[in-house]
Amino acid sequence: GNSVTQMEGPVTLSEEAFLTINCTYTATGYPSLFWYVQYPGEGLQLLLKATKADDKGSNKGFEATYRKETTSFHLEKGSVQVSDSAVYFCALRANTGNQFYFGTGTSLTVIP
Amino acid sequence: GAVVSQHPSRVICKSGTSVKIECRSLDFQATTMFWYRQFPKQSLMLMATSNEGSKATYEQGVEKDKFLINHASLTLSTLTVTSAHPEDSSFYICSARASGSSYNEQFFGPGTRLTVL
Repeated sequence: GNSVTQMEGPVTLSEEAFLTINCTYTATGYPSLFWYVQYPGEGLQLLLKATKADDKGSNKGFEATYRKETTSFHLEKGSVQVSDSAVYFCALRANTGNQFYFGTGTSLTVIP
Repeated sequence: GAVVSQHPSRVICKSGTSVKIECRSLDFQATTMFWYRQFPKQSLMLMATSNEGSKATYEQGVEKDKFLINHASLTLSTLTVTSAHPEDSSFYICSARASGSSYNEQFFGPGTRLTVL
């Protein structure tokens, strides 16, 4: 079946620290992979995506590379800011069907 | 990007009552809308997929008579939790796919927190 496992939080970092949030997946076929971010009181927003192996998604300084050999899509940012404080969800969409499968979310708090 | 709203943002009700949650696409037409629920510290789980003008498709284990979904227009889908019980307390999130767009392009609402006493 399809599933996503991401590291549990909460994660607390100082401003300008390096961020990694691990995400691994199980899927049949060749899924598309996503990171969504949810700021307090708001809906999920697409942060970045990758639709095939070795693709790198990037946005707002965040990056994630689709690694088929390790079935991973880890989120990284070199220098976090206070404004990055949010909950981050890793997700996949199988190439058959419309359903998204989400991880449990990782709460990130960045302190000045 | 496209905006999806939900109303109400949070609701508290007594056990046995019914609660309606609205999901609206504000600046685009949504052929397909999806309803998810999220329990604390768990993933978002798809409950059902609704297509405008037709019956919703429910995921395995979701009671369609308990969670009534109506997608009467291209900008509005509603989820009604009938005869709600405390175990229905959860965070309900909708998403919408714009007509003609890829299924990778889904826009999410801010969610509705339901608490059943």
